[in-house]
Order: sequence, then C-alpha cells, then structure tokens
Amino acid sequence: QVNLLQSGAALVKPGASVKLSCKASGYTFTDYYIHWVKQSHGKSLEWIGYINPNSGYTNYNEKFKSKATLTVDKSTNTAYMELSRLTSEDSATYYCTSEAHWGQGVMVTVSS
Amino acid sequence: DIVMTQTPSSQAVSAGEKVTMSCKSSQSLLYSENKKNYLAWYQQKPGQSPKLLISWASTRESGVPDRFIGSGSGTDFTLTISSVQAEDLAVYYCEQYYDTPLTFGSGTKLEIK
Repeated sequence: QVNLLQSGAALVKPGASVKLSCKASGYTFTDYYIHWVKQSHGKSLEWIGYINPNSGYTNYNEKFKSKATLTVDKSTNTAYMELSRLTSEDSATYYCTSEAHWGQGVMVTVSS
Repeated sequence: DIVMTQTPSSQAVSAGEKVTMSCKSSQSLLYSENKKNYLAWYQQKPGQSPKLLISWASTRESGVPDRFIGSGSGTDFTLTISSVQAEDLAVYYCEQYYDTPLTFGSGTKLEIK
C-alpha cells in the first residue's frame, strides 16, 4: 500500500536551515506530484508547493518561494523540502502528500 | 489567490444527527472544458494527518462511508454527514485545486455532544 514516511521532528535555531524528507513506497514514485503543506499549531493548512518527481519541475506558492526548496532523489524514491532562514513563524507541522495520501507530518520547532 | 470560506467554524451535534457544513470560494471552481468542480474535502482527526474524503466536489474516496456526501457547484459547496458517529469528531477542511496556489478553508470543527 502507499506510504509516505517523513523524517523525525526537528528542533532548529533561528536563522538556520532544515531539510525534511519524505520517502515514498507502494507506488511508482515518478507517476505523481508530491506536494508539501504547512500547518501551524491549531491553524489551517497552507500549500507550499509541489514537485514533479519525473522532471524535477516545481511550482511554489509565492509566499514560500524564498523559504522552501523542493527536490527529489529518484534513486531512493525520496522527496525533500529545505526550509531556510528559519524564524519562529516557521514553527509548524509539515506534511508531504501525493495522490490522496499524506505523510505522518513532521514538527519543526524553531527556538534558540 | 482563491479564498475559501468555511462556515460554521464549529458545530456540536449528537450522534445520529445530520450535519451540514458550507464552503464558498471567491471564484468558480467549475472548469467548463470537463464540467468538473476542483474541490476536495478533508477530515483531520486530533493528532492525525488530514485524510481525503471527497474529490471533484462529490466523489467519495474508496473506503469512505457513504454517510459523507459532497455537493455543490461553482462557488458554493456543502459537506453533509447524514448520521454523525462518535468517530467523526474532527476538523473538516475544503480545498480548491482549480488554480495554484492551492488554498484551504479555515475548517469546521465538529464536536459530538
């Protein structure tokens, strides 16, 4: 069955970067786009962008264009999202999702 | 960006009751070429990832109980739960995928009395 396994929770310092991973299994990785979604504590969902694993083409929400960088490694069926210049506003749970399936989410906490 | 407005923000019902929740978009989600509405409904239970319930405004995902009914077209959409069960305690979000950036509503929190 389809599974999206995300990396563990991260505690990072303000100004630093963090790279989150999302390992896909149970389907052909290159067949479906992978989207990333942010959920701040107790809040709604924000779409960050998607990547086409086959071509590497990306489409970002303008709001996150200078914050997030999406990449994939086709050899390991893994998608990545790097978040840069972190502030407290970036503390949230981040999900990867593909074709109706969602990862378990990863909590990122930005604190000194 | 397309703005999605959900009402009510929360609702408390007893098990067995019918519940409806609304989602309105700031522009039409109906694509004229294929007559499809690019609207999805998600259920997020406490401490869990969102789960896709309905796509194309009214198509239930495999395994979703038939008490979940999506309806509407254009800019006005409704999610109905025909007979609420205790396990339906969750926040329900609508999402438009007509255009990027994809956008979500603020959610309707369903509480069971």
